[in-house]
Amino acid sequence: DAGITQSPRHKVTETGTPVTLRCHQTENHRYMYWYRQDPGHGLRLIHYSYGVKDTDKGEVSDGYSVSRSKTEDFLLTLESATSSQTSVYFCAISERASGGDTQYFGPGTRLTVL
Amino acid sequence: AQSVSQHNHHVILSEAASLELGCNYSYGGTVNLFWYVQYPGQHLQLLLKYFSGDPLVKGIKGFEAEFIKSKFSFNLRKPSVQWSDTAEYFCAVRGSSNTGKLIFGQGTTLQVKP
Repeated sequence: DAGITQSPRHKVTETGTPVTLRCHQTENHRYMYWYRQDPGHGLRLIHYSYGVKDTDKGEVSDGYSVSRSKTEDFLLTLESATSSQTSVYFCAISERASGGDTQYFGPGTRLTVL
Repeated sequence: AQSVSQHNHHVILSEAASLELGCNYSYGGTVNLFWYVQYPGQHLQLLLKYFSGDPLVKGIKGFEAEFIKSKFSFNLRKPSVQWSDTAEYFCAVRGSSNTGKLIFGQGTTLQVKP
């Protein structure tokens, strides 16, 4: 399972509060990603990181920020949670193999914003 | 912009029926192609991938997919489904110049009746 853990696994919060989700990996992968999964949309990329302190935006980055101060941890912060951010959030790493890179996913965090 | 389309949103089959799930993408260059499966309540797992070479790719659990470049398609097939194949299936594409970012289709929910 590529050694990826996410915490918390479930969270209920209120509109306007900040929320931080953590992704932790144990295999020293350089690339890490945050996606959100919503019915009818598949997975959409929020932010990604290509190294410590190196991050970039994905297609749905508004309202989210990320940080990566260590190789093993990639944090996703909702600065002021809104109901539209109720979703399941998946972290992924990219593993290099012959021919190309393959992404493997963590167990997910189900976030409910009331 | 890249996009991925999965035409079947919800498929219902009886056990032992054959399966084909459609996936079409729009991207003009070299692509890497993936199928992921998500069993109820679980995270995404890689079924199979195509980087180059033989366009017929075999994956886990008896699944295969065929890359047809002229049709921009990467359809998933299984000759005989089982009840345990009930899950959501996602097609994903990465353009060769796209720094690892995956674009996902909307997903297809497969329900297999025993």
